[in-house]
Amino acid sequence: QQQVKQSPQSLIVQKGGISIINCAYENTAFDYFPWYQQFPGKGPALLIAIRPDVSEKKEGRFTISFNKSAKQFSLHIMDSQPGDSATYFCAAGYSGGGADGLTFGKGTHLIIQP
Amino acid sequence: DADVTQTPRNRITKTGKRIMLECSQTKGHDRMYWYRQDPGLGLRLIYYSFDVKDINKGEISDGYSVSRQAQAKFSLSLESAIPNQTALYFCATSDTTGISTGELFFGEGSRLTVL
Repeated sequence: QQQVKQSPQSLIVQKGGISIINCAYENTAFDYFPWYQQFPGKGPALLIAIRPDVSEKKEGRFTISFNKSAKQFSLHIMDSQPGDSATYFCAAGYSGGGADGLTFGKGTHLIIQP
Repeated sequence: DADVTQTPRNRITKTGKRIMLECSQTKGHDRMYWYRQDPGLGLRLIYYSFDVKDINKGEISDGYSVSRQAQAKFSLSLESAIPNQTALYFCATSDTTGISTGELFFGEGSRLTVL
């Protein structure tokens, strides 16, 4: 199983600050890099995703930065809000819907302090 | 109603008991997956299925079995539960027909405790 390494494991950010979560992957054949957000008692849900033909994708306060040569990608949450408190998973896979789905990082527990 | 429904949502059982977790979906997706979530370990793939006739082992299939009864139904069984199978289990679906994004759609999870 190809690994996706995610850091940090936990993160505390003040309201209004920038939250940054980093991931690194090994398999250069991966061409789909999503981030999932999970609230307590719920299943993970897709937050934002990027493909390697672009270096950055922004949706509202959430931005993915992608560095293909370094095999790294990161999630930035601007103006972090208490409602952003959740567990975030990065993942890597294939845009055609790879045979074995997605390979997930171990997750980051994000707490936004009011 | 949820697109991906898991039952039961919570279950406490004893070592050695047989347990079945069920998943049904109304999304019409062809692929279904079972993942296990443990604190600090993320989501790990147990089994996945392309269609009714196709079942594949994932990263951590030992101690588990699955059945794809129909396109919309995928169940996970623990033939003889053991305490280290205590975890949160998620069913997920994906669509590989038409315009595929690779996105997984998760159920709300089944929390299993094995005493």
